[in-house]
Amino acid sequence: AQSVTQPDIHITVSEGASLELRCNYSYGATPYLFWYVQSPGQGLQLLLKYFSGDTLVQGIKGFEAEFKRSQSSFNLRKPSVHWSDAAEYFCAVGASNDYKLSFGAGTTVTVRA
Amino acid sequence: NAGVTQTPKFQVLKTGQSMTLQCAQDMNHEYMSWYRQDPGMGLRLIHYSVGAGITDQGEVPNGYNVSRSTTEDFPLRLLSAAPSQTSVYFCASKPQGRNQPQHFGDGTRLSIL
Repeated sequence: AQSVTQPDIHITVSEGASLELRCNYSYGATPYLFWYVQSPGQGLQLLLKYFSGDTLVQGIKGFEAEFKRSQSSFNLRKPSVHWSDAAEYFCAVGASNDYKLSFGAGTTVTVRA
Repeated sequence: NAGVTQTPKFQVLKTGQSMTLQCAQDMNHEYMSWYRQDPGMGLRLIHYSVGAGITDQGEVPNGYNVSRSTTEDFPLRLLSAAPSQTSVYFCASKPQGRNQPQHFGDGTRLSIL
């Protein structure tokens, strides 16, 4: 079965600074990878996804992620953070043989002025 | 453009009571699922359905029942509520295709006293 680890529980970043959120997955074949964002009291919104092709994926809100098979990683990045990026971020992995997703525990991002 | 609609948004129950969390989607998605979200644990899959009349257990199914009589609706039933079921519950749906992302409702915040 697939699994996801997000090593950072909480990250604080200054507005305008760059942000990188780590995600490591475990799965034997090519995974389907997703990043979701959750604002307080809201559901999860898809930021971006990867399933094949170019390993650098562009998403909404200026986010991008890079798939590195050799490191089993799918880290999320944003060059310049805005105060509205304060939220909880979840990495998820899907298997090629079913519809289920496995989520990481999430990383909470705080943006300071 | 409703998407995935969950009701109620908040609920307080007493131990031993039963209730049904409602989930409806208007996107004609075949796959629907229920997750619970607990601090530090990400989202964990409770039950899922790959189409009307078909349901299966996820990672944490005990204490919950589901049914899928129509494509649109996927209610989650708590048979006899326990304090350990205090959580935020999310319903999600997705179209066919392994690489298609899940669409989430806004969640139901449930407290069991």
